[in-house]
Amino acid sequence: DQQVKQNSPSLSVQEGRISILNCDYTNSMFDYFLWYKKYPAEGPTFLISISSIKDKNEDGRFTVFLNKSAKHLSLHIVPSQPGDSAVYFCAASSKTGNQFYFGTGTSLTVIP
Amino acid sequence: EAQVTQNPRYLITVTGKKLTVTCSQNMNHEYMSWYRQDPGLGLRQIYYSMNVEVTDKGDVPEGYKVSRKEKRNFPLILESPSPNQTSLYFCASSPGGGYYGYTFGSGTRLTVV
Repeated sequence: DQQVKQNSPSLSVQEGRISILNCDYTNSMFDYFLWYKKYPAEGPTFLISISSIKDKNEDGRFTVFLNKSAKHLSLHIVPSQPGDSAVYFCAASSKTGNQFYFGTGTSLTVIP
Repeated sequence: EAQVTQNPRYLITVTGKKLTVTCSQNMNHEYMSWYRQDPGLGLRQIYYSMNVEVTDKGDVPEGYKVSRKEKRNFPLILESPSPNQTSLYFCASSPGGGYYGYTFGSGTRLTVV
């Protein structure tokens, strides 16, 4: 059973606008949440993470929001750039950090 | 350059012929892990290792073996590959898992016919 879900397989956004990618999880024992970006023919690249004691983490144009009561996290990219076009995966792990659970990914297209 | 190196990048093999995919990292990371990526299923963890000689099963370990005899290497072994193991495989390493995330290799595209 999928413990981490990304319900939007794809998203298109105009350059300069905000991109919002969503992720839901079912396991309340998860302590860490991460976002990865993946280009074709490459491995996923770590983007940003957040621990369960926080509700927001920011790194440049990327902000991750965590709503523990709703078991929901989102990644905001502002402003979106064409180079952001990629597949984005959210992932979650427990405090021990050994097992990771990934969502199915959302393909983001930023239109110039 | 800090990286995770997998070999080969592409492999076509026949059912039942044992194969090994190698993985090496140069970052002195404690944690290493193998994933497979399949359409509609995202990335699923096969095996992980928290240190030398310490390995454990992930979500989809059936049909795979791993070993961690040295800190830098974490090979994935398919003793008797079957067509349902056709997939894109990624090796990854991390200084401590959890919040630190994993650094991924470039992937190995395996086809079993």
